[in-house]
Amino acid sequence: DTAVSQTPKYLVTQMGNDKSIKCEQNLGHDTMYWYKQDSKKFLKIMFSYNNKELIINETVPNRFSPKSPDKAHLNLHINSLELGDSAVYFCASSQGAGGELFFGEGSRLTVL
Amino acid sequence: EDQVTQSPEALRLQEGESSSLNCSYTVSGLRGLFWYRQDPGKGPEFLFTLYSAGEEKEKERLKATLTKKESFLHITAPKPEDSATYLCAVVNSNYQLIWGAGTKLIIKP
Repeated sequence: DTAVSQTPKYLVTQMGNDKSIKCEQNLGHDTMYWYKQDSKKFLKIMFSYNNKELIINETVPNRFSPKSPDKAHLNLHINSLELGDSAVYFCASSQGAGGELFFGEGSRLTVL
Repeated sequence: EDQVTQSPEALRLQEGESSSLNCSYTVSGLRGLFWYRQDPGKGPEFLFTLYSAGEEKEKERLKATLTKKESFLHITAPKPEDSATYLCAVVNSNYQLIWGAGTKLIIKP
């Protein structure tokens, strides 16, 4: 039973389109995250939610909008996709604000 | 500014050749240092947490150690399945998680 699952695993789309990535965790954690990993493999925090409340919102374009319908789900919607949005997006969860995160397998977004 | 630096960027070893990966950090009020392993096409997988200088953790062929300015991940007699990217991260006094860029480890049979 997958602990943190995100869909889809791959997205290929044209510039200007809108896309969504869904994430669900069954670990009972209260905190969820979206990370972006670029081609150099560096992990960059985008958003963090604790019990459905936004607690971290890094300098991410407002084309990116997270939504947390409940503490087990955190979705990411991206409007007007640009070439530079191509990356792997990881969802993660943790109990509290510590550093022991559980990651999903990633969603590879390619913008053409 | 808080930061985490990992070295080397890449390390190639023969099977059975022991070595160490380094994670040096400058952080305001360390609340914990974390090691992760990331396989290609997968998300990072948590390995260890270290909280204070002198602490050590072990798992199979891996041992993590911590001083006041750096951590080492020692790999003893590695096998090809230990090949992965190893990531280090720290939590500072504001509970921010700061990541290093990782070390790509390749173990040749």
